[in-house]
Amino acid sequence: QKEVEQDPGPLSVPEGAIVSLNCTYSNSAFQYFMWYRQYSRKGPELLMYTYSSGNKEDGRFTAQVDKSSKYISLFIRDSQPSDSATYLCAMSEGSARQLTFGSGTQLTVLP
Amino acid sequence: GAGVSQSPSNKVTEKGKDVELRCDPISGHTALYWYRQSLGQGLEFLIYFQGNSAPDKSGLPSDRFSAERTGGSVSTLTIQRTQQEDSAVYLCASSLASRGAAYFGPGTRLLVL
Repeated sequence: QKEVEQDPGPLSVPEGAIVSLNCTYSNSAFQYFMWYRQYSRKGPELLMYTYSSGNKEDGRFTAQVDKSSKYISLFIRDSQPSDSATYLCAMSEGSARQLTFGSGTQLTVLP
Repeated sequence: GAGVSQSPSNKVTEKGKDVELRCDPISGHTALYWYRQSLGQGLEFLIYFQGNSAPDKSGLPSDRFSAERTGGSVSTLTIQRTQQEDSAVYLCASSLASRGAAYFGPGTRLLVL
């Protein structure tokens, strides 16, 4: 079993839809949680960065962390075709020296 | 400000040759990471540098892989006697501290023929 599980999709939604992306994890020591967006043939771009449990909102993006359930989510409101990309979750322990990534979810937003 | 830069952006080499990949982190970032991403795969951790501490090399797949970081800034990843299975995108990232968010460069696409 992988430390971080992420549904690879592909996920296809119409423009304007609310998108929900999720990851589960098994390591209870993870404290820092990130979401990255990766366009084809580009490096991952940091979208959201949260510490411990709770919600964080940035524009159309909301990140949620539920440490009791070992479950994190990224919500995208009013999705746009430009949101079409692969979304990667990542997490790390407080004193760890590496980020552990999910395998990524491929999202397509149809105009 | 400038982001993480990597060079070359693409590298084609023959099996058995050595290659060097370069990473310039964001100025002031003390932590530097190397990851590898194979086609359709997630990110595989290779090595991590934090300040003057000994690097965490636990992700290096074999002794053909090595990395160094000079002056706490620029890093070079070296792959000796390249194999076809080394073909991948090599990504570098940097952060302010071991707990900070990591910012990635555009990657180096390595193809071993």
